[in-house]
Amino acid sequence: GAGVSQSPSNKVTEKGKDVELRCDPISGHTALYWYRQRLGQGLEFLIYFQGNSAPDKSGLPSDRFSAERTGESVSTLTIQRTQQEDSAVYLCASRERREGSGELFFGEGSRLTVL
Amino acid sequence: GENVEQHPSTLSVQEGDSAVIKCTYSDSASNYFPWYKQELGKRPQLIIDIRSNVGEKKDQRIAVTLNKTAKHFSLHITETQPEDSAVYFCAASMPNQGGKLIFGQGTELSVKP
Repeated sequence: GAGVSQSPSNKVTEKGKDVELRCDPISGHTALYWYRQRLGQGLEFLIYFQGNSAPDKSGLPSDRFSAERTGESVSTLTIQRTQQEDSAVYLCASRERREGSGELFFGEGSRLTVL
Repeated sequence: GENVEQHPSTLSVQEGDSAVIKCTYSDSASNYFPWYKQELGKRPQLIIDIRSNVGEKKDQRIAVTLNKTAKHFSLHITETQPEDSAVYFCAASMPNQGGKLIFGQGTELSVKP
């Protein structure tokens, strides 16, 4: 694929519903990140997958948030029992495995609106 | 925990002037410092990066400086143009955490023609 692909691009849901966001990283990229960006705010780290290592979940804001990754490909971010404060753009990014360096390629993001 | 502080949050300059954005980081093991530019409604994109074994790197009108002792690094944009208007994010890697990247809060740069 040409770049990082995310779906859906926009999601409107009602408070209390579960949502699932999908990320297809660039082929061959072993590192995959999820970030959250609230309106006008910075990039808040959520979770990081690196190859077969255990994911770094230290940024997940609550146990309503979880993420999985199938091997070195697709990742899904799941938010259960959504709240209005979950409204944000969720950005996925991937990069080749390098020791602490290398360009991070971002997807276009999934804009989540919780009513 | 790890932290990256970025200042200022907003910056307005006249076209042709220089702009400087500063960041500090907390993890002394950090060894990679990229800068990303995010235009309105678009994804962040890498514009320049620096590794800890150099103190300065330049690419045309943009340059980045690094002071490892003080744990701060800066982005310098010279001869600013209206198309430089965007949000700029600094980041620092956490090599002891698999190279995880932590971003600063962002600086909204406005270049007035």
